[in-house]
Amino acid sequence: DQQVKQNSPSLSVQEGRISILNCDYTNSMFDYFLWYKKYPAEGPTFLISISSIKDKNEDGRFTVFLNKSAKHLSLHIVPSQPGDSAVYFCAASIYYGNNRLAFGKGNQVVVIP
Amino acid sequence: ETGVTQSPTHLIKTRGQQVTLRCSSQSGHNTVSWYQQALGQGPQFIFQYYREEENGRGNFPPRFSGLQFPNYSSELNVNALELDDSALYLCASSSQGAPNEKLFFGSGTQLSVL
Repeated sequence: DQQVKQNSPSLSVQEGRISILNCDYTNSMFDYFLWYKKYPAEGPTFLISISSIKDKNEDGRFTVFLNKSAKHLSLHIVPSQPGDSAVYFCAASIYYGNNRLAFGKGNQVVVIP
Repeated sequence: ETGVTQSPTHLIKTRGQQVTLRCSSQSGHNTVSWYQQALGQGPQFIFQYYREEENGRGNFPPRFSGLQFPNYSSELNVNALELDDSALYLCASSSQGAPNEKLFFGSGTQLSVL
């Protein structure tokens, strides 16, 4: 039972353009959402998060938007850089200190120089 | 400050065998979580250990078991291996109650079951 869903498994984008990754969730108990980035042969690393009391969180080139009524969030990367080429996972938790995360399947992003 | 380290990095086993995977948590962390990432899937929560006891479990059968030691390192044991157990096993450490952003992952152990 996939509680966090990421469609469009792969995305190719030109360097300097915007990358948009989407994520949907089904569990209404989820209260905290995170995006992780994963390079080959490395573990996932935290990128950005958002609490359900917010609808937007920004950190440099990365912005996460949350639409709680639609159970949908998105990650915007602008401008995209070649070093952003990685797999991006959307994850959710029932509260911010839970550390038991439900992950989506991931999106492969390729940034073309 | 050392990060989360896992051993071995790769492992090949045959169906029915047993396997033990190891994880050293990041310095100062007292909680260890284990995740299974099958090919083409996201990581799935197996269980978490805190103060040497299981502190939450995902939807995995009892043949998946773990240990946490006084130095907060941990082991994941899988008995009666099945082909579907082939996956990347990720260990993550944190301090109990710390925000999710403070969950740090190791590079994983790639297990292949033949």
